[in-house]
Amino acid sequence: EAGVAQSPRYKIIEKRQSVAFWCNPISGHATLYWYQQILGQGPKLLIQFQNNGVVDDSQLPKDRFSAERLKGVDSTLKIQPAKLEDSAVYLCASSLRPGAQNQPQHFGDGTRLSIL
Amino acid sequence: GESVGLHLPTLSVQEGDNSIINCAYSNSASDYFIWYKQESGKGPQFIIDIRSNMDKRQGQRVTVLLNKTVKHLSLQIAATQPGDSAVYFCAENMLGGGFQGAQKLVFGQGTRLTINP
Repeated sequence: EAGVAQSPRYKIIEKRQSVAFWCNPISGHATLYWYQQILGQGPKLLIQFQNNGVVDDSQLPKDRFSAERLKGVDSTLKIQPAKLEDSAVYLCASSLRPGAQNQPQHFGDGTRLSIL
Repeated sequence: GESVGLHLPTLSVQEGDNSIINCAYSNSASDYFIWYKQESGKGPQFIIDIRSNMDKRQGQRVTVLLNKTVKHLSLQIAATQPGDSAVYFCAENMLGGGFQGAQKLVFGQGTRLTINP
């Protein structure tokens, strides 16, 4: 099966600009996650969707970050305005069933964001 | 536990030897654990998982051991190959907020495995 698709692979912007990332999960996966991975660290959850609804956005910096999954499939993550500390890899993951605790998440290869 | 700092622990092994990567997790209520492998420029790749009602699970060339008493998880890789070079992360499932059954993975710091020829 096709994996999680993300684009773009790389993005370079100046601080205070805006940027958007796109994710297409594995077909049939109801749950979608966005993670931020800073160099040298493990991924940190930003937001989780169940179909088109937000399950957990407690770690999303809502003053500058937003995400949506309008039709319950693809998702976009936006940063506006970007700060230097937002430089990281943004990973999207998906898992199979709603409310399924013990299902592994499958990750895309991420978007590497550099803020100048 | 939570990811801290910029310096990954490193494990170097000889090709063909067995590798053991250790992880301490933070929450005694965590009920599900996953090991991921991350190669440079790629996303984390699922290796093996284990539920808290088990203490050992085996896959192809990999074994995960869970010791809930001391909150410790280990990944054993048999006959390590050059393709095993990567950063390995353990992740624990903390029951997530707002939705019954939601999964919330918290990743550890990661260990860089290098293979000596």
